[in-house]
Amino acid sequence: GAVVSQHPSRVICKSGTSVKIECRSLDFQATTMFWYRQFPKKSLMLMATSNEGSKATYEQGVEKDKFLINHASLTLSTLTVTSAHPEDSSFYICSARVLRNEQFFGPGTRLTVL
Amino acid sequence: EDQVTQSPEALRLQEGESSSLNCSYTVSGLRGLFWYRQDPGKGPEFLFTLYSAGEEKEKERLKATLTKKESFLHITAPKPEDSATYLCAVHISGNTPLVFGKGTRLSVIA
Repeated sequence: GAVVSQHPSRVICKSGTSVKIECRSLDFQATTMFWYRQFPKKSLMLMATSNEGSKATYEQGVEKDKFLINHASLTLSTLTVTSAHPEDSSFYICSARVLRNEQFFGPGTRLTVL
Repeated sequence: EDQVTQSPEALRLQEGESSSLNCSYTVSGLRGLFWYRQDPGKGPEFLFTLYSAGEEKEKERLKATLTKKESFLHITAPKPEDSATYLCAVHISGNTPLVFGKGTRLSVIA
């Protein structure tokens, strides 16, 4: 149990376009989901906390207009990278919180902006 | 300030050479301590949650223990497939995000 999926696993886009990444909890309902960014050989960097039905809470330094987060249901959160630029290229990972506050991660999405 | 420190940063073991990874924490409260394994290019894989001092959990060659100040991840007779980055994180209170350590990169050489 406790499976989190992400789609797509890889995406390549042109500079200036927007990209949407989906995060789904497949066998449980998650009231809270988290979005992370990770650079090669670096630690996870929390971007935002996403609560179902309410606005996301962004970490300091993360542009909320750049990284749009929607948590429309208890099983789906989306991250949209708007007007992507090469510096947005990274590995994006979501996670979902479940019973007793255990947290499970998705497989990640590799974004490359040309 | 809530802080999680993992040591060593990197560890190289021969196959079969048992060892331990350390995660020390100074936090205002502890609702749970988590261990994850992360392979390159993948999301972290959940291993264990520990909730109170004295608790121990095991899974195959891994055993996690918890005291009031630190947690250890013991690896018994490791195999090359145990090579990965091991992450420790603590959940402090309410709906706050996990506080992560920087991880230990484990390499097991055949």
